[in-house]
Amino acid sequence: GIQVEQSPPDLILQEGANSTLRCNFSDSVNNLQWFHQNPWGQLINLFYIPSGTKQNGRLSATTVATERYSLLYISSSQTTDSGVYFCAVTTTDSWGKLQFGAGTQVVVTP
Amino acid sequence: GAVVSQHPSRVICKSGTSVKIECRSLDFQATTMFWYRQFPKQSLMLMATSNEGSKATYEQGVEKDKFLINHASLTLSTLTVTSAHPEDSSFYICSTENTEAFFGQGTRLTVV
Repeated sequence: GIQVEQSPPDLILQEGANSTLRCNFSDSVNNLQWFHQNPWGQLINLFYIPSGTKQNGRLSATTVATERYSLLYISSSQTTDSGVYFCAVTTTDSWGKLQFGAGTQVVVTP
Repeated sequence: GAVVSQHPSRVICKSGTSVKIECRSLDFQATTMFWYRQFPKQSLMLMATSNEGSKATYEQGVEKDKFLINHASLTLSTLTVTSAHPEDSSFYICSTENTEAFFGQGTRLTVV
């Protein structure tokens, strides 16, 4: 099956700093999503981005499907950005079934 | 986006008992839903695909007799953990089938 690798595994930021999270995948995908898991476990949809670039406030994401990677940018980080960020993909062989990366644990300190 | 409601959010049960978790789609008809499991400090892993009106399909290594899935209507899928044991303690979460997946709030199960 497809492999999804996220880096870095952990990230400690001071409030106001910028950061980039990376997601590499081993095969062609037809869906790629970024999620933020809050301390209560809830998965918050950040981006649906199988290709191209999107922005939502302080967050933006870029997926280069031909090179099999996606990047999530966090600008001017806030303590509420803390949590685990997951990248998840589906392929044409596994429609609807998300394969998750291991996640990046982000801690933003005041 | 789709709205998915999952209950309960947290449950503690005794070893050997069964626990039922409900996943409801509130604003769309879901012929297919997905159940995932997440152990502490780990990622989410797909357990099974819930199909309305037919049997669920399970991922390799998931015991279908232990994790019973029922999808009797287009708005409700249930996961029953039967004869629960402490090793079944985990975070269970359901999602929609749409092009963009949306998740319920999740259920934290603790078996004592």
